Amino acid sequence: GAVVSQHPSWVICKSGTSVKIECRSLDFQATTMFWYRQFPKQSLMLMATSNEGSKATYEQGVEKDKFLINHASLTLSTLTVTSAHPEDSSFYICSWDRLLNTEAFFGQGTRLTVV
Amino acid sequence: GENVEQHPSTLSVQEGDSAVIKCTYSDSASNYFPWYKQELGKRPQLIIDIRSNVGEKKDQRIAVTLNKTAKHFSLHITETQPEDSAVYFCAASGGSARQLTFGSGTQLTVLP
Repeated sequence: GAVVSQHPSWVICKSGTSVKIECRSLDFQATTMFWYRQFPKQSLMLMATSNEGSKATYEQGVEKDKFLINHASLTLSTLTVTSAHPEDSSFYICSWDRLLNTEAFFGQGTRLTVV
Repeated sequence: GENVEQHPSTLSVQEGDSAVIKCTYSDSASNYFPWYKQELGKRPQLIIDIRSNVGEKKDQRIAVTLNKTAKHFSLHITETQPEDSAVYFCAASGGSARQLTFGSGTQLTVLP
């Protein structure tokens, strides 16, 4: 299967600071990526869809100025949580969309804890 | 948009028994229905999927059935083992929406 690398796998930061999460596809290229968020004991919820070379599309209730997405290339997308607060503590997972393959390819996930 | 409902939220079975988890979806345009197993702190792991042109698919102890008319699909695990204990999610995608919409999850516990 396709290889997706997401890091860091976990991060602890102070309230008010920013955290960047990277997601790379190692053996394929794709134009579209999905970022999901999963709170403890809850399901995965789509936060935003990013396309290489264009602005990301955010789901209702997700602040675009707080969760900055940079889809710089066909193999790299980053999510920056700006001015993080404890309520942003969650598990963030990226998923690359390969148009010719319906299966989703997830990163390992990033456990963010804001203290 | 798509809405996926999943039941039950928790399920306990004795080792060797079968487990069934059910999901319903709302968007008739959805055509891809994967099931994931997720262990604590890890990414979802695809265990089986089915597309809308198929009614049933089986892979060893795991099977999935799809009823397009009723818009529901089910996961069946036979001869359960303690290592099957995890959270299971159903999901749906398709039509103009390639992102996955997940069900709420089922915590499966297999008792030895």
